Amino acid sequence: EAGVAQSPRYKIIEKRQSVAFWCNPISGHATLYWYQQILGQGPKLLIQFQNNGVVDDSQLPKDRFSAERLKGVDSTLKIQPAKLEDSAVYLCASSPDRNTEAFFGQGTRLTVV
Amino acid sequence: AQSVTQLGSHVSVSEGALVLLRCNYSSSVPPYLFWYVQYPNQGLQLLLKYTTGATLVKGINGFEAEFKKSETSFHLTKPSAHMSDAAEYFCAVSTVSGNTPLVFGKGTRLSVIA
Repeated sequence: EAGVAQSPRYKIIEKRQSVAFWCNPISGHATLYWYQQILGQGPKLLIQFQNNGVVDDSQLPKDRFSAERLKGVDSTLKIQPAKLEDSAVYLCASSPDRNTEAFFGQGTRLTVV
Repeated sequence: AQSVTQLGSHVSVSEGALVLLRCNYSSSVPPYLFWYVQYPNQGLQLLLKYTTGATLVKGINGFEAEFKKSETSFHLTKPSAHMSDAAEYFCAVSTVSGNTPLVFGKGTRLSVIA
């Protein structure tokens, strides 16, 4: 079974530029999460989708971050404009439903300079 | 709201020694509890989980954890550490209803000394 795929693995951008991350969850998984993991900290939820609807985006900085889940499958997370403090690893995860554990991708490491 | 506290940001043990990583949780409803491991430049991999039933949970790579409701704890143990166990370990909590996503602790970095 293929795992959660994310791209790119690494990205370096200058502050005020925009960036987008892509996630392909495990086939058939209805729930998709985006987490932000700052160096030395645990992952923090940014947004949770159930199929193509948003369940929880209370911690998403909506003035600069946006996310969508196309047709309930792939998802993109965008940052525009980026700030230095956005430097982090962005993890995508999926699960069959909200009652089971999440399966994580390898993450995208973003460096904002 | 749920929260997790991991005691000790860094734990160092000798190869062959007991591994004990501490996790305490806070939840107003019955919790689901998880331990994940993260190797450098990798995503998180599930070690074990507690949902319902037996409070002693066995996971992969020889790890186990015990859910103690009275102590609100879910400590991770392994009888004998291997060099390959060196990684970052995260405890996480969700809820029985499934209406809340995983909330993670800050992590504990395990070092294994030869």
